[in-house]
Amino acid sequence: EIVLTQSPGTLSLSPGERATLSCRASQSVSSNYLAWYQQKPGQPPRLLIYGASSRATGIPDRFSGSGSGTDFTLTISRLEPEDFAVYYCQQYGSSPRLTFGGGTKVEIK
Amino acid sequence: EVQLVESGGGLVQPGGSLRLSCAASGFTFSTNSMDWVRQAPGKGLEWVSYISGSGTIYYADSVKGRFTISRDNVKYSLYLQMNSLRAEDTAVYYCAKMGSSGSLDYWGQGTLVTVSS
Repeated sequence: EIVLTQSPGTLSLSPGERATLSCRASQSVSSNYLAWYQQKPGQPPRLLIYGASSRATGIPDRFSGSGSGTDFTLTISRLEPEDFAVYYCQQYGSSPRLTFGGGTKVEIK
Repeated sequence: EVQLVESGGGLVQPGGSLRLSCAASGFTFSTNSMDWVRQAPGKGLEWVSYISGSGTIYYADSVKGRFTISRDNVKYSLYLQMNSLRAEDTAVYYCAKMGSSGSLDYWGQGTLVTVSS
């Protein structure tokens, strides 16, 4: 079973700063089937990145994903006020079919 | 426009049953895999179950033997039959459409299931 560990748990930053979020897998993620989501209170998650580095439809280019194997990163180049939220990584594999990381909260400093 | 609308949540006693539904529109339902994902109050996301367009099914260990996923491709609907419910099953349940590279590209607004006496 693949376990995804996200760090840090909380990231305190100011608008305009760069955010770097980490997602580490306990085993190699097959075919880079790694996605990132943003979730705001009271809302469902929104897909940001799929295939480790491809932006989903309508996602601003300040969001970027990178990494392969067991180490993946979500970068927000310049934080906008609407970017303060919780971010989750997710992998797709064989068993279990999907796994989510524990989440990183990006809060206003 | 893709839309996913869940229904069927509510308050149920421990040991009880509930059936969730998800009405889909705006895409070819029969050719897309679908998932149920849940989120306990104040907690992170937990994958629950997966069903492919052709009916291949997977479950999380935490619900195996108690939950049953199914779909009706004619009615554009996804279901989750939940039996032997426990307090730890209390969560918002989301249905989600699977997109590229195993991601979940569209989500419903969720339906709350509360298991309590």
